[in-house]
Amino acid sequence: KQEVTQIPAALSVPEGENLVLNCSFTDSAIYNLQWFRQDPGKGLTSLLLIQSSQREQTSGRLNASLDKSSGRSTLYIAASQPGDSATYLCAVNTGNQFYFGTGTSLTVIP
Amino acid sequence: GAVVSQHPSWVICKSGTSVKIECRSLDFQATTMFWYRQFPKQSLMLMATSNEGSKATYEQGVEKDKFLINHASLTLSTLTVTSAHPEDSSFYICSATGQGDEKLFFGSGTQLSVL
Repeated sequence: KQEVTQIPAALSVPEGENLVLNCSFTDSAIYNLQWFRQDPGKGLTSLLLIQSSQREQTSGRLNASLDKSSGRSTLYIAASQPGDSATYLCAVNTGNQFYFGTGTSLTVIP
Repeated sequence: GAVVSQHPSWVICKSGTSVKIECRSLDFQATTMFWYRQFPKQSLMLMATSNEGSKATYEQGVEKDKFLINHASLTLSTLTVTSAHPEDSSFYICSATGQGDEKLFFGSGTQLSVL
């Protein structure tokens, strides 16, 4: 069974810093991997989706990478802003099921 | 991007009553919908997967008679919490994928409080 882990569980950084969130999965047979953002009491907003054949995807200040063979993905956030404060979750799609990580709670301090 | 509408956003009810939560895909046909439960500061816990026109597949430990799921059309799935009790209080979220679409789209969630 696929297991998805996110480290760290919580992260606090000053505004303007670049940061990296990590996502690890145990089975490299994935269809794609998706990064989400969740604000308190809200649903999940899709940030980036990386297909299994891709190495990275970029959207604005966000860059997600995927190394399938080592079972890792990273979400890089450049020039962090207080508005980036949220919980970030990764989800691995095996083709017939989605497996979610436990999330990283990010706080960007003004 | 595709939009999934979930309502109500929050509901407070008395113990013993039933609560229905709706999840609609507004601009695409959702062949598969998922229902999750989320406790504070925890990740999503998949409750069931539903495909249009067929019975939902429930995860182990989820009572199908308590959490009734209906996916009657390609744009609507409902979750009914029957005879709700305080321990059913939680945040419930739905998500959907369309045919050939490998992306997950989420509703905004429903906070259920059972008194």
